[in-house]
Amino acid sequence: DVKVTQSSRYLVKRTGEKVFLECVQDMDHENMFWYRQDPGLGLRLIYFSYDVKMKEKGDIPEGYSVSREKKERFSLILESASTNQTSMYLCASSPTSGRSGLEQYFGPGTRLTVT
Amino acid sequence: AQSVTQLGSHVSVSEGALVLLRCNYSSSVPPYLFWYVQYPNQGLQLLLKYTTGATLVKGINGFEAEFKKSETSFHLTKPSAHMSDAAEYFCAVSENQAGTALIFGKGTTLSVSS
Repeated sequence: DVKVTQSSRYLVKRTGEKVFLECVQDMDHENMFWYRQDPGLGLRLIYFSYDVKMKEKGDIPEGYSVSREKKERFSLILESASTNQTSMYLCASSPTSGRSGLEQYFGPGTRLTVT
Repeated sequence: AQSVTQLGSHVSVSEGALVLLRCNYSSSVPPYLFWYVQYPNQGLQLLLKYTTGATLVKGINGFEAEFKKSETSFHLTKPSAHMSDAAEYFCAVSENQAGTALIFGKGTTLSVSS
């Protein structure tokens, strides 16, 4: 089975802190994604990566950055956390090559609270 | 640009009743279509997908969906609801060629009463 793991299920941080959310997949997928999920808004794409050291902005990249130094790992960074970044963060990976979007496998999510 | 509309943010049914969750999409190219389910405090799990071929797609847990190109729809159905079906359901669309990530609808919460 494909497994996507996220470093924390629940996280509480203070305003202004630098926050790292880690995601690891074990199926050698080329594509990895970060979404945030908010009630009534569904899933919104923050960033995605289709190869090591490659990244592309999604719909809501402001206030976030990402890092992909190894194929299996995709990190989401909140440079200076703010209360409006309180949300559920979901990581996903896709088994396709190239940049086409097909079936994605999701991690369990990290519920981040910024106080 | 692609988009997905899920009609009804909340749907309530009785146990044993038909489940119908509606999804309409827009896409300039033949789409790939997906339904995902999310149980409380969990990630998303794939229920079923349409890529090419047969337009009636069967998924896990007794769910199925039919791709209707003329109606740009991909509605999710289950003949008889179980209490365990209570969850949030997301419809998603993707271009079947070089493009970006999945585009998700805003979700429909299904409640099942006894």
